[in-house]
Amino acid sequence: GENVEQHPSTLSVQEGDSAVIKCTYSDSASNYFPWYKQELGKGPQLIIDIRSNVGEKKDQRIAVTLNKTAKHFSLHITETQPEDSAVYFCAAEDINSGGSNYKLTFGKGTLLTVNP
Amino acid sequence: NAGVTQTPKFQVLKTGQSMTLQCAQDMNHEYMSWYRQDPGMGLRLIHYSVGAGITDQGEVPNGYNVSRSTTEDFPLRLLSAAPSQTSVYFCASSYSFSGTDTQYFGPGTRLTVL
Repeated sequence: GENVEQHPSTLSVQEGDSAVIKCTYSDSASNYFPWYKQELGKGPQLIIDIRSNVGEKKDQRIAVTLNKTAKHFSLHITETQPEDSAVYFCAAEDINSGGSNYKLTFGKGTLLTVNP
Repeated sequence: NAGVTQTPKFQVLKTGQSMTLQCAQDMNHEYMSWYRQDPGMGLRLIHYSVGAGITDQGEVPNGYNVSRSTTEDFPLRLLSAAPSQTSVYFCASSYSFSGTDTQYFGPGTRLTVL
């Protein structure tokens, strides 16, 4: 199965700075890599995703990059704001040997704190 | 749409008790799943379902049962609760079991087993 490693586990930045969270995955067959944001007391919510046919995707202050050769992908948040403070999870599509069942394997999460 | 709803929000059980965590979605999604979230462990898949009548095990299925009699509901049963099952449980759903569909998460159930 898929194994996803996420770093760092905690990240503290000043408001206005950039934040970068990195993930690596093990299964070269994976083609879908979503990022989720979890605010305190709530369920995770998808913020951006990337598929293996592109190397980068942007949505306002958020961007994700993917390097399939190296099997790693990263979340970039620019001009951070206090409301960006949350736990962020990366995930990778987990395809079993038959390719017929779909699961997501999640990283262990990064607690991002944006200090005013 | 209410999205994905979970009940209860909080629950305290004694070791050996049984209970069912409820999950429902009103988006006509085929794919539903249960995760548990523990500190430092991220989200781990317990069970999932690709449609009514079809369920399969995830990464940590022991001690949990599921069934999917309707498209809307996907309850998670703890037959004999253990302290190791203290966790926050999230239900999620997506339109299909394709790898490209967004998973929508419920608000979670915080379970404590004494």
